[in-house]
Amino acid sequence: SAVISQKPSRDICQRGTSLTIQCQVDSQVTMMFWYRQQPGQSLTLIATANQGSEATYESGFVIDKFPISRPNLTFSTLTVSNMSPEDSSIYLCSATTGGREAKNIQYFGAGTRLSVL
Amino acid sequence: AQKITQTQPGMFVQEKEAVTLDCTYDTSDPSYGLFWYKQPSSGEMIFLIYQGSYDQQNATEGRYSLNFQKARKSANLVISASQLGDSAMYFCAMREGTGGYQKVTFGTGTKLQVIP
Repeated sequence: SAVISQKPSRDICQRGTSLTIQCQVDSQVTMMFWYRQQPGQSLTLIATANQGSEATYESGFVIDKFPISRPNLTFSTLTVSNMSPEDSSIYLCSATTGGREAKNIQYFGAGTRLSVL
Repeated sequence: AQKITQTQPGMFVQEKEAVTLDCTYDTSDPSYGLFWYKQPSSGEMIFLIYQGSYDQQNATEGRYSLNFQKARKSANLVISASQLGDSAMYFCAMREGTGGYQKVTFGTGTKLQVIP
């Protein structure tokens, strides 16, 4: 398994500002992901964070709005840019350890609760 | 079409009783994995149990078991001896394919409330 630390755990931000969320894993992982969970909804994948290259974004999400970095195998950041109240959500980081027997289970951080005023 | 369907928005169960949370899935990929996660009100997603498409036996993890019916494409979660701490949202999820890019799709969730 993997232990994932995510910070901040919550924040209240003003419209038009940006917030960077950090995700640190306690071991080297093969894949890291960022999800958004809007109030009362399920998880939606924003992007796969690729080490040393641009993230792979899902339909409806763009790099200008959600720039992602992954400088090494254990760390990634997600920035929510030019925020609006519609960005108020829980943002979750996850990672898989890979390997033949690892089942590619995604382990999650505790999430970041973002409220945009 | 929805890849993961959870038809029970909310469920109630008496403490110490067993409860089944339903999940059906849709895929044409012969290799896939099915997961259940628990999300308490704190927001963290807690991995509970995994079932691979080629696994012959139903997965079990403590009080959690997965009733895997491949022909029916269902993967129901059974929680035995419910506890008050089991009150949470439960999400069924599916990973398709192996290696490379593997997207996991989540269902809409079931809110379980355990009654004392």
